[in-house]
Amino acid sequence: DAGVIQSPRHEVTEMGQEVTLRCKPISGHDYLFWYRQTMMRGLELLIYFNNNVPIDDSGMPEDRFSAKMPNASFSTLKIQPSEPRDSAVYFCASSKYRTEAFFGQGTRLTVV
Amino acid sequence: QQQVKQSPQSLIVQKGGIPIINCAYENTAFDYFPWYQQFPGKGPALLIAIRPDVSEKKEGRFTISFNKSAKQFSLHIMDSQPGDSATYFCAAGGGNQGGKLIFGQGTELSVKP
Repeated sequence: DAGVIQSPRHEVTEMGQEVTLRCKPISGHDYLFWYRQTMMRGLELLIYFNNNVPIDDSGMPEDRFSAKMPNASFSTLKIQPSEPRDSAVYFCASSKYRTEAFFGQGTRLTVV
Repeated sequence: QQQVKQSPQSLIVQKGGIPIINCAYENTAFDYFPWYQQFPGKGPALLIAIRPDVSEKKEGRFTISFNKSAKQFSLHIMDSQPGDSATYFCAAGGGNQGGKLIFGQGTELSVKP
């Protein structure tokens, strides 16, 4: 298996623009997680899905952030409008069981 | 209750040394404690994990020690190598947390040749 695939790997955008990050989980995994990593806050869980249904979105920072999982092989994290403080590395992870999460390579987002 | 506290923030050892990274948690409902290894520009990779019914687990040169009563666990790396230089994260989850993993702040390990 190719592992968790994220795109794009790098994204530079201007403040106020919409940003969409994409994730393809490992086939057969029924949990999908979105994490954000910054120097100040470390690794934070934003939201996770089980069988395509959002289970816990308490980590989503504000209404500018939204996530969808239309099917078992695809998820998106959208930021609209983006702000400089959203600059971070965003990771998608998936797991077959609740806890053994496998991470993608991440998307480095820079908002200028 | 949700925090996982990790120390030290950074660690430098000589090749062959045994770095030890410590973590403490508060939520007694946690029942899964993994360690992740992250190299620059890469995502965290699962290294080793333990459940609270055992006090120690070894996989190769990596050992987790678990102290349930103290709510602490630690990672030991035997015969450390320069290739082990990375950032290490402890985490805690399971129990009443559903699929959540709560991560420590990370330890940047440097192994000098």
